[in-house]
Amino acid sequence: GDSVTQTEGLVTLTKGLPVMLNCTYQTTYSPFLFWYVQHLNEAPKLLLKSSTDNKRTEHQGFYATLHKSSSSFHLQKSSVQLSDSALYFCALSEQGTGSKLSFGKGAKLTVSP
Amino acid sequence: AQTIHQWPVAEIKAVGSPLSLGCTIKGKSSPNLYWYWQATGGTLQQLFYSITVGQVESVVQLNLSASRPKDDQFILSTEKLLLSHSGFYLCAWSLADSDYTFGSGTRLLVI
Repeated sequence: GDSVTQTEGLVTLTKGLPVMLNCTYQTTYSPFLFWYVQHLNEAPKLLLKSSTDNKRTEHQGFYATLHKSSSSFHLQKSSVQLSDSALYFCALSEQGTGSKLSFGKGAKLTVSP
Repeated sequence: AQTIHQWPVAEIKAVGSPLSLGCTIKGKSSPNLYWYWQATGGTLQQLFYSITVGQVESVVQLNLSASRPKDDQFILSTEKLLLSHSGFYLCAWSLADSDYTFGSGTRLLVI
């Protein structure tokens, strides 16, 4: 079945440093990838999404590129801020079915002053 | 504008008691609806999804059931709660492959 792998469980960085959160996936369908951010005691909110191969998508300083050849959709930011501290989830949807959104285990990003 | 409302915001329930959580979507016709469960600090596990009124598919069996009695309403319930049911329950909607938008969630503590 479909699966999403996030390798970083906990990431701690100082403000101003770059970050990359890894996401790889497995699916037999045409993939639609998402990044969601969840702040403490809140619901997840969409950060980025893409179904287009090799096209960079950006939002709020975060960016990611879907690479179908390597089944990856890594999330990056060049300079993290204190407000970026949150849980980040990569998620995969089977394009055209609308039946399931599968989430990775998540990465907890903590940004210190 | 579309809105998604979940109720209640939080519940403390005894083991063995019944539970009913609700979700209403306004401003969208025939959305796909989903229930997710999240342990504290954990990932989101899809429980159920529904593409149309009266039809609900189970993804994971956790001694829970779901129903979609109206186009804009999705209900999650159980007759007997377990300790393991504690967590954060999230309702979400989408249109085919568009954004999956989550409600604000219900925090459940089973004691």
